[in-house]
Amino acid sequence: EVQLVESGGGLVQPGGSLKLSCAASGFSFSTSDMNWVRQAPGKGLQWLSHISSSSTNIHYPDSVKGRFTISRDNAKNSLFLEMNSLRADDTAIYYCARVAGWLYFGDWGQGTLVTVTS
Amino acid sequence: EIVMTQSPATLSVSPGERATLSCRADQSVSSKLAWYQQKPGQAPRLLIYAASARATGIPARFSGSGSGTEFTLTISSLQSEDFAVYYCQQYNNWPLTFGGGTKVEIK
Repeated sequence: EVQLVESGGGLVQPGGSLKLSCAASGFSFSTSDMNWVRQAPGKGLQWLSHISSSSTNIHYPDSVKGRFTISRDNAKNSLFLEMNSLRADDTAIYYCARVAGWLYFGDWGQGTLVTVTS
Repeated sequence: EIVMTQSPATLSVSPGERATLSCRADQSVSSKLAWYQQKPGQAPRLLIYAASARATGIPARFSGSGSGTEFTLTISSLQSEDFAVYYCQQYNNWPLTFGGGTKVEIK
């Protein structure tokens, strides 16, 4: 059974930093492309970043480029998202998601809540 | 960036009725379009990919159609467990983008 378990969320002040983790199991993590997607309270889904299986291809939307960094450790079946210069509008549930086939998301974690507030 | 627009924002449907949800892209995404279902407090679940292919385990009452800029998700006979929010997502171009969602509620 595929399992994706996010952690690292919590309360952070504006301008602060946070590093999220996603522990993967039940599938071949080292051959899977992975992504982060977030959802602000009561809002829709926003794609944040993509990393290919070997970390050779990485993509971000302009809205987070330069502030967020995606990475992975295939030896530890783990995905990460480092977030800097956090703002109130970064408050959201952050999901890790596995790419299935092309660039759509076949499996999702349960999410971790990040709250940016003073 | 490709903008995805879903309509209507809210759809009120009686159980057993048909629901038709629309997703429009402001430029062609070919058939690289996925649909997700999200229930309160849960992560999204993949329903449809490649515009019309059902994901594993998805009931046949869910069907997708369209290509280019116009797409439709049809739920042929709504069951109680189908009341949820539905999102479309294009994966033809970076950045990947989602529509704003359609909430299917009980009439």
